[in-house]
Amino acid sequence: GENVGLHLPTLSVQEGDNSIINCAYSNSASDYFIWYKQESGKGPQFIIDIRSNMDKRQGQRVTVLLNKTVKHLSLQIAATQPGDSAVYFCAETNQGGKLIFGQGTELSVKP
Amino acid sequence: EAGVVQSPRYKIIEKKQPVAFWCNPISGHNTLYWYLQNLGQGPELLIRYENEEAVDDSQLPKDRFSAERLKGVDSTLKIQPAELGDSAVYLCASSHRQGRGAQYFGPGTRLLVL
Repeated sequence: GENVGLHLPTLSVQEGDNSIINCAYSNSASDYFIWYKQESGKGPQFIIDIRSNMDKRQGQRVTVLLNKTVKHLSLQIAATQPGDSAVYFCAETNQGGKLIFGQGTELSVKP
Repeated sequence: EAGVVQSPRYKIIEKKQPVAFWCNPISGHNTLYWYLQNLGQGPELLIRYENEEAVDDSQLPKDRFSAERLKGVDSTLKIQPAELGDSAVYLCASSHRQGRGAQYFGPGTRLLVL
């Protein structure tokens, strides 16, 4: 399943499928990006980050892609599990250190 | 490694009452942040500390909000007096290096002003 950033805040996928969550960031000067996962009643949890000198970074079951030309960031989750159900936020920052969060996308995993 | 600790986890108060939130950052993290998160939205920065110095408090409503980090470790955020619109989640985060490292969040304090 795939979600297009701010216009579709809810993404529903089948367990085992891959998920793609998209984010359009605003500031071309941003040089550091983070994806956070937030479960109900909890604080945002760091998932993966990427700096602007890279276009791809992989973690465990997650991959972040950065396209600076169109100011687009995506989070790919492989073999999505029920425990992945949460709201996912992208965040951008520059050397000033202020983290700017996107709207968030709610991922719902169907068993 | 222990994460960011916040207390209390929940607080219900009547409007015009004072309230305070406490945060203990990850050990060794010099930068501490307070964020406000409204339902369905991303966190918004209120104030950022480098050690004991508030280096960015431009988004802090200074007429009723105050914060301190006296010894460069723990921090307290206060609201006095609280208004109905202050109902939100107040998140604390810390990072090792200003702007150059990931920010790690605590569980937040959920405030309800009646």
